[in-house]
Amino acid sequence: KAGVTQTPRYLIKTRGQQVTLSCSPISGHRSVSWYQQTPGQGLQFLFEYFSETQRNKGNFPGRFSGRQFSNSRSEMNVSTLELGDSALYLCASSFDLDTEAFFGQGTRLTVV
Amino acid sequence: QQPVQSPQAVILREGEDAVINCSSSKALYSVHWYRQKHGEAPVFLMILLKGGEQKGHEKISASFNEKKQQSSLYLTASQLSYSGTYFCGTDTFSGSARQLTFGSGTQLTVLP
Repeated sequence: KAGVTQTPRYLIKTRGQQVTLSCSPISGHRSVSWYQQTPGQGLQFLFEYFSETQRNKGNFPGRFSGRQFSNSRSEMNVSTLELGDSALYLCASSFDLDTEAFFGQGTRLTVV
Repeated sequence: QQPVQSPQAVILREGEDAVINCSSSKALYSVHWYRQKHGEAPVFLMILLKGGEQKGHEKISASFNEKKQQSSLYLTASQLSYSGTYFCGTDTFSGSARQLTFGSGTQLTVLP
């Protein structure tokens, strides 16, 4: 079966710009979670969507937002980019939190 | 709140054993273990649920102490392919919903 697809794979943006990242989950999965990964920080939870509803949100500023569509595809938006937003952004899809999550390859965002 | 993993790094010789620990300050619904190799997405290893159920498909074992809010991953007779960063994820209640939060990782290196 097709895996989790994240687009784009790489992105370079300038401070102050905004960016939208996309995640297409595995067919049938309704839960999509987003994580920010930086060296030494592990996987920082951003938010989780389930059936188009945001179920929970991590400790990130309001510049980070997301949404999920009826086909379970999810987007993450970051506005007013800062240098510190440079990271690998991973999304993971699963049936629900009690089941195996499949990660995408991630989008590597560089803010200059 | 992130779970705490220990050790942060471990170096083994092929065939040796290792234990990675994960502890949480919150009551746990489940504990998830993932392994990430350099430049790749995290890959599922195991889920340990309250009540003792385990789901996994690797020859790796783990324990879950609900009372102590701790989990341990046991890597026996390690192979070169076990090298990577191991993350534990804790499924806890945060605010009004459950959330899967990952630790900062344990870097495991297996030498020939």
